[in-house]
Amino acid sequence: NAGVMQNPRHLVRRRGQEARLRCSPMKGHSHVYWYRQLPEEGLKFMVYLQKENIIDESGMPKERFSAEFPKEGPSILRIQQVVRGDSAAYFCASSPSPPFPNTEAFFGQGTRLTVV
Amino acid sequence: DQQVKQNSPSLSVQEGRISILNCDYTNSMFDYFLWYKKYPAEGPTFLISISSIKDKNEDGRFTVFLNKSAKHLSLHIVPSQPGDSAVYFCAASGASGSARQLTFGSGTQLTVLP
Repeated sequence: NAGVMQNPRHLVRRRGQEARLRCSPMKGHSHVYWYRQLPEEGLKFMVYLQKENIIDESGMPKERFSAEFPKEGPSILRIQQVVRGDSAAYFCASSPSPPFPNTEAFFGQGTRLTVV
Repeated sequence: DQQVKQNSPSLSVQEGRISILNCDYTNSMFDYFLWYKKYPAEGPTFLISISSIKDKNEDGRFTVFLNKSAKHLSLHIVPSQPGDSAVYFCAASGASGSARQLTFGSGTQLTVLP
């Protein structure tokens, strides 16, 4: 039973390009969460999705960032026109049902985005 | 506005001794608290959790204590082992907005010396 899979592990983009980060949740998990970790900081919540629905995007920047979790395929976090401040580790987590306290969320290994 | 704070960025402990990691929170709406362990280049791994209706939860070498009146929780690891060396994040859930998101502290780097 594979864990949460994120790809790519490392992504380098030039300023102004688009970054697409993928997250395949654990088998049977229909709830996905994206977190961002800036250097020397803790993880910050970005968005919570269920299949085909955005449940909570209160942590997502209003511009340039979008997320989706289609019926088929992985969840995608998309960052348009990247800037240096977007450089961070982006973590995806999944759970079989709404967590805390009923179940825990399992994290992927993250995608480290570097904007040059 | 940091709602979950880990004021010690690092902690060093001798192997076999107790490690105590501390965490403070400001939002009284949090009702569930978790500790995650993170190795370099990996995602956080769930360690132990506690509901706000309890004041202690134990799992093997790991015990989490919650003091609601002080808005403080701590993670005790005893005995500490070199493999415990990692960054430990305190996290909380249940505040405003979606109850499904976690609010993380900035982490404490634990080093267990052999």
